[in-house]
Amino acid sequence: AQTVTQSQPEMSVQEAETVTLSCTYDTSESNYYLFWYKQPPSRQMILVIRQEAYKQQNATENRFSVNFQKAAKSFSLKISDSQLGDTAMYFCAFIKNTGNQFYFGTGTSLTVIP
Amino acid sequence: NAGVTQTPKFRILKIGQSMTLQCTQDMNHNYMYWYRQDPGMGLKLIYYSVGAGITDKGEVPNGYNVSRSTTEDFPLRLELAAPSQTSVYFCASSYPRTGLIYGYTFGSGTRLTVV
Repeated sequence: AQTVTQSQPEMSVQEAETVTLSCTYDTSESNYYLFWYKQPPSRQMILVIRQEAYKQQNATENRFSVNFQKAAKSFSLKISDSQLGDTAMYFCAFIKNTGNQFYFGTGTSLTVIP
Repeated sequence: NAGVTQTPKFRILKIGQSMTLQCTQDMNHNYMYWYRQDPGMGLKLIYYSVGAGITDKGEVPNGYNVSRSTTEDFPLRLELAAPSQTSVYFCASSYPRTGLIYGYTFGSGTRLTVV
């Protein structure tokens, strides 16, 4: 079975600063994908960024980037130049290459302070 | 841009009552999913479907039933509601394999309280 662990239930960051959210996972699979989803107060789940396990290069999407350490099974999310609109719950998620199911972590509630 | 539509958005049920959570998508996605999100927890898969007439259990199927008679609709049925089913329910959809690339398209959720 796959497990995803987010050890930071809550975090806060000053506007314009940088923050890193942690995620570790456990799997025996060699080919899989990792995602970060954002859930604002509206409850809508929004894809932030994804990483393919077979790619060594870390994914980047504008102000969002990841630090993917496959051997350590670590997948952290870095948000640069934090904005008030980044305030949300962030979920780390895992899916096997052959799977139909996402496995989600318990989430990190991020608050951006003006 | 309807995407995935869930109804109702909120509902209060009494213990032992039944209800159906509706989910419909207009993207012609083959795959559809039902997740539940409990406070302080991630999303857990209840049931999923890879096409009309095909459904399968996820991690937490007990107390729920589903059907998939059309590509567009994937209703979730709660029989004999229990307080443990108090949760936020999300429906999601994707094309085969593209969920690995683009993730799923999620609905906005149904907040269900069983009292």
